[in-house]
Amino acid sequence: DAGVIQSPRHEVTEMGQEVTLRCKPISGHDYLFWYRQTMMRGLELLIYFNNNVPIDDSGMPEDRFSAKMPNASFSTLKIQPSEPRDSAVYFCASTGGPWAEAFFGQGTRLTVV
Amino acid sequence: GDSVTQMEGPVTLSEEAFLTINCTYTATGYPSLFWYVQYPGEGLQLLLKATKADDKGSNKGFEATYRKETTSFHLEKGSVQVSDSAVYFCALSDGSNDMRFGAGTRLTVKP
Repeated sequence: DAGVIQSPRHEVTEMGQEVTLRCKPISGHDYLFWYRQTMMRGLELLIYFNNNVPIDDSGMPEDRFSAKMPNASFSTLKIQPSEPRDSAVYFCASTGGPWAEAFFGQGTRLTVV
Repeated sequence: GDSVTQMEGPVTLSEEAFLTINCTYTATGYPSLFWYVQYPGEGLQLLLKATKADDKGSNKGFEATYRKETTSFHLEKGSVQVSDSAVYFCALSDGSNDMRFGAGTRLTVKP
């Protein structure tokens, strides 16, 4: 397996624009996580899915953020409208079950200017 | 709720020095414990893991022992190299589907 695949690797956008980040988990993994990493706040869990169903979205910072998982092999994280404070590295991770290790993608570095 | 507390950095060592990064956890059940490493510009990679008390995880010269009595999972390496410079994260998974991470410790190894 190629591992968790995220796209794009880098995204630069203007404030107010819509941004969509994409993730393909490892085949067969039932859990998918979205994290945000910044120098100030470290690694934050935004939302996670089990079998394509959102289980906990309490980490989503505000209504401008939304995430979907239409099938087992694809998830999106959308920010609309984007703001400069959303600038961060966004990671997607997947795992095969409880107690199992998480596999991370390479991340998307988002810069909102 | 469950949480992980790890030694704050940054940590700077000379090559071949001994490394310890402390990690303690709080969990209601019997979690699995992990150390992840993040190299510059990359995602987190699993370094080692332990799934029950007294288990020792090891990889690339790094070791950590699951100590239930002290709720700890300290990371150690006997002789660090420049290539070990990275950020290290302690993490736990208690079976509730949510993985908890520590704040990360940045290690710099100087030649």
